Amino acid sequence: SQQGEEDPQALSIQEGENATMNCSYKTSINNLQWYRQNSGRGLVHLILIRSNEREKHSGRLRVTLDTSKKSSSLLITASRAADTASYFCATDLRMDSSYKLIFGSGTRLLVRP
Amino acid sequence: KAGVTQTPRYLIKTRGQQVTLSCSPISGHRSVSWYQQTPGQGLQFLFEYFSETQRNKGNFPGRFSGRQFSNSRSEMNVSTLELGDSALYLCASSLGQREETQYFGPGTRLLVL
Repeated sequence: SQQGEEDPQALSIQEGENATMNCSYKTSINNLQWYRQNSGRGLVHLILIRSNEREKHSGRLRVTLDTSKKSSSLLITASRAADTASYFCATDLRMDSSYKLIFGSGTRLLVRP
Repeated sequence: KAGVTQTPRYLIKTRGQQVTLSCSPISGHRSVSWYQQTPGQGLQFLFEYFSETQRNKGNFPGRFSGRQFSNSRSEMNVSTLELGDSALYLCASSLGQREETQYFGPGTRLLVL
């Protein structure tokens, strides 16, 4: 089963508006990452937030992490049509020495011009 | 630096055949991970290789296998293809240390008829 569940599954907004996506996970993590995928292509890394961090910014992106609630949110401000994509959260489990990302189910974002 | 490359980009096979997919990581990266993406199951971890050794394996049948060469290039093989193996196969590379970004390739889209 997937570690993360994302909410909403789909989001449609007008260009210029803000978009907020949420991710919940089940077990302890080392870090949580957000990726973007355009129409069935490769994943583009957006931002990584470590388990001891609460908030992180990168350009128009703002990510928060609440480890007590096992949840994270991604905020895209002043959205553009080019932001239309699927967004996935991925958690790096606190387990063995290898690197294994567990992905959420994704949020499909449509930004209308 | 050149990004992660995957070949071929598209592939059509029939049931019962086998297929080999190739992934060339970013120069200097020693870890290569493989993921399968389908509409029904989402993004699922297949396995991770580091310095020619499989460090972690996902919950996939033995028909799915992989290897890594001394130059860090990796191949994955799927034998006795089934219709359900139709998917986008993504590989990702990283330096191999914990808590770092994985960089994804464009993927190989496999269609099994």
